[in-house]
Amino acid sequence: GAVVSQHPSRVICKSGTSVKIECRSLDFQATTMFWYRQFPKQSLMLMATSNEGSKATYEQGVEKDKFLINHASLTLSTLTVASAHPEDSSFYICSARDPGDGTTDTQYFGPGTRLTVL
Amino acid sequence: QKEVEQDPGPLSVPEGAIVSLNCTYSNSAFQYFMWYRQYSRKGPELLMYTYSSGNKEDGRFTAQVDKSSKYISLFIRDSQPSDSATYLCAMSANDYKLSFGAGTTVTVRA
Repeated sequence: GAVVSQHPSRVICKSGTSVKIECRSLDFQATTMFWYRQFPKQSLMLMATSNEGSKATYEQGVEKDKFLINHASLTLSTLTVASAHPEDSSFYICSARDPGDGTTDTQYFGPGTRLTVL
Repeated sequence: QKEVEQDPGPLSVPEGAIVSLNCTYSNSAFQYFMWYRQYSRKGPELLMYTYSSGNKEDGRFTAQVDKSSKYISLFIRDSQPSDSATYLCAMSANDYKLSFGAGTTVTVRA
């Protein structure tokens, strides 16, 4: 299957720090990437949809000024958590859409980034 | 009511048993159905992908979709301890946004 990488895998920072997370599709071009958040023992919650070359679309309740998304190329999307606070501590996971041959359109996930804000 | 319902378990089975997982959904616009496996503190790994009603088999895994009943299943034959993980069902409409079930935690006992 396709490979998606995320960097860094773990971040520990002080309150008020901005944190940048990178998501890369390594062996395919992803016109669309998605950012999710996952709390312990809970399922993934979609935060935003990122399309290459255009503004991200945020889900209801997600602050776009807090979670800044940039999709600069067909293989890279970044999520910046601006002025992070302890309540932003979570597991952030990206996925990249691989349209394939048109019949196997699916998403592949990165390994996740664990953010801890002190 | 959630769009996707999945029993969170936990489910514990002996090695070699068949693991049966299922999800129900309410949104008739869903067309694409997936099963992901997630190990602790890792990203989800795609196991099965289907877009039509019926069965799809891949090795020890069989996915079933019944669109008329809005019900999907995943069966794991000859389960191994390495299959111990959380299994997430996911589905999407034409907007490709995934809606996930809560995930079922499975433990296969050696």
